[in-house]
Amino acid sequence: QQQVKQSPQSLIVQKGGISIINCAYENTAFDYFPWYQQFPGKGPALLIAIRPDVSEKKEGRFTISFNKSAKQFSLHIMDSQPGDSATYFCAAADTGTASKLTFGTGTRLQVTL
Amino acid sequence: GAVVSQHPSRVICKSGTSVKIECRSLDFQATTMFWYRQFPKQSLMLMATSNEGSKATYEQGVEKDKFLINHASLTLSTLTVTSAHPEDSSFYICSARTSHGELFFGEGSRLTVL
Repeated sequence: QQQVKQSPQSLIVQKGGISIINCAYENTAFDYFPWYQQFPGKGPALLIAIRPDVSEKKEGRFTISFNKSAKQFSLHIMDSQPGDSATYFCAAADTGTASKLTFGTGTRLQVTL
Repeated sequence: GAVVSQHPSRVICKSGTSVKIECRSLDFQATTMFWYRQFPKQSLMLMATSNEGSKATYEQGVEKDKFLINHASLTLSTLTVTSAHPEDSSFYICSARTSHGELFFGEGSRLTVL
């Protein structure tokens, strides 16, 4: 049973545009929602994370929007750049139980010139 | 963010041999580390949770005798793939949890078994 559903599977955005990736979860015990960026052949890098007590968190060009009632959260990349081309994974964890991350299936983002 | 170092980044071995991969938290202590396996163009699959000073907890379907995990100190966990076979070829990634609950990943280790 997939506990974190991620969409879209792939995304092509023009340079300067907004990239939006969505995730939905099922387990109401989840209280930590990070996003990771992964380049080919590299480990995932923590990009930004949010906890359920806030509805939005912004760090530079990256914003997480969180909707607790809908059990959904999304990543917005503003002014997308070719260097943002990577695979993005959302994840969720119940930090009360050893923080095991449940990952989404990933979104391959390509930012074109 | 916190730094997690993984070594080696690439390893090629012959079928039947054992390979050890190290995961170190460089600037923080991690009582809990996690080991993942990732196939090409797929998401990360959790293999086991490594707890300092105690036995690792393996996910369903992961052979604990095949994938030996040792968490010898607060900054080091090792994964040993025993009697490796070509089907064990994969990208193995570790992560370490900070005291604030954030999880940081190593750079990954590409294992190729000939």
